[in-house]
Amino acid sequence: DTGVSQDPRHKITKRGQNVTFRCDPISEHNRLYWYRQTLGQGPEFLTYFQNEAQLEKSRLLSDRFSAERPKGSFSTLEIQRTEQGDSAMYLCASSRAMAPNEQFFGPGTRLTVL
Amino acid sequence: ELKVEQNPLFLSMQEGKNYTIYCNYSTTSDRLYWYRQDPGKSLESLFVLLSNGAVKQEGRLMASLDTKARLSTLHITAAVHDLSATYFCAVDSRDSNYQLIWGAGTKLIIKP
Repeated sequence: DTGVSQDPRHKITKRGQNVTFRCDPISEHNRLYWYRQTLGQGPEFLTYFQNEAQLEKSRLLSDRFSAERPKGSFSTLEIQRTEQGDSAMYLCASSRAMAPNEQFFGPGTRLTVL
Repeated sequence: ELKVEQNPLFLSMQEGKNYTIYCNYSTTSDRLYWYRQDPGKSLESLFVLLSNGAVKQEGRLMASLDTKARLSTLHITAAVHDLSATYFCAVDSRDSNYQLIWGAGTKLIIKP
């Protein structure tokens, strides 16, 4: 068990560009969550998957954001036409369906939009 | 609106002292979670409190839950520098579709 991994760890992009982040959950975990965290704040829920099904999306997740988990294993989060307000740490977490909120977090991807 | 409020938001203390961080929440919930985050790092689960009166201890940290008061405390005993971090509490409830609602975090600095 190597824990939750995320790639890349840091991303700097220019406003208007598209970015994609990847998350690999703990292998036996069937739930996968995406959060956004800005400086001095707690994580904000974005969306979660149970296996390959995306079961809930926060209203924070504008139509520029899309997440997939095509085979129920790794997940990607894409942000289109990035804006400076998208600059944040994007955290991925995973859990077992029987203990959904005992979540294990990855190291995060820090996005800076110039 | 569902709210989780932590108090204080910032705490600077000397090694060897005791202190308590408070987490109040506005929704009905029987489950509360404490996490630790080091600067630039991700979140590490510390405690999961699943019922009224639950108390858990790990080393110098002890967490408790009073669901009637909608209050959890994280008590630090004889603080050491290694405990410097930001501590978050979170709750889930039917009102939040069982998604975690997070406090803003308490940044704890322990001076040698």
